[in-house]
Amino acid sequence: TQLLEQSPQFLSIQEGENLTVYCNSSSVFSSLQWYRQEPGEGPVLLVTVVTGGEVKKLKRLTFQFGDARKDSSLHITAAQTGDTGLYLCAGEGSQGNLIFGKGTKLSVKP
Amino acid sequence: NAGVTQTPKFQVLKTGQSMTLQCAQDMNHEYMSWYRQDPGMGLRLIHYSVGAGITDQGEVPNGYNVSRSTTEDFPLRLLSAAPSQTSVYFCASSYSTGGTSYEQYFGPGTRLTVT
Repeated sequence: TQLLEQSPQFLSIQEGENLTVYCNSSSVFSSLQWYRQEPGEGPVLLVTVVTGGEVKKLKRLTFQFGDARKDSSLHITAAQTGDTGLYLCAGEGSQGNLIFGKGTKLSVKP
Repeated sequence: NAGVTQTPKFQVLKTGQSMTLQCAQDMNHEYMSWYRQDPGMGLRLIHYSVGAGITDQGEVPNGYNVSRSTTEDFPLRLLSAAPSQTSVYFCASSYSTGGTSYEQYFGPGTRLTVT
């Protein structure tokens, strides 16, 4: 069974701080997606990484896919209160199904 | 484009009642799916469909039925509601499966309480 473990589970920081959240597995994934979910809403796609070692940037957010395609990280520079939410990673498994991690709940305080 | 729409937004059922959660998308996506989201459990796949007329079970299918008569609609039926089905339900669609085609577009969710 392919699993995605996200860490930390909860993160509370002050506005302006930097942070990194992780998405790890012992299995290889052909691609990984990152979503952000705000309270009372559905998840919204941020990015998809496909190639091992790939780095993608979305304004202050930097996403990296591990060389072995077993892990990914999301780094946020100078966090803002608008970054608050649940961050989910999802990987395309070996059987073509989409597997979600349980998420990192980020709270950015002013 | 409205994207993925879900109705109702909130629903309270008594144990044993049945109901249908509606989901529609206007993006001509082939792949549609239903998830439930519970605290500490993440998103769990209930049923999915790779195209009209084709459905399959996900991780937690018991107590739910689906059908896909058109590309646009993918309703989820609760046959006999139980308190364990209290959850937030999300419908999602994607162009296809594989790589960036698998990027999911989620609806706003239905918050269901079974008493």
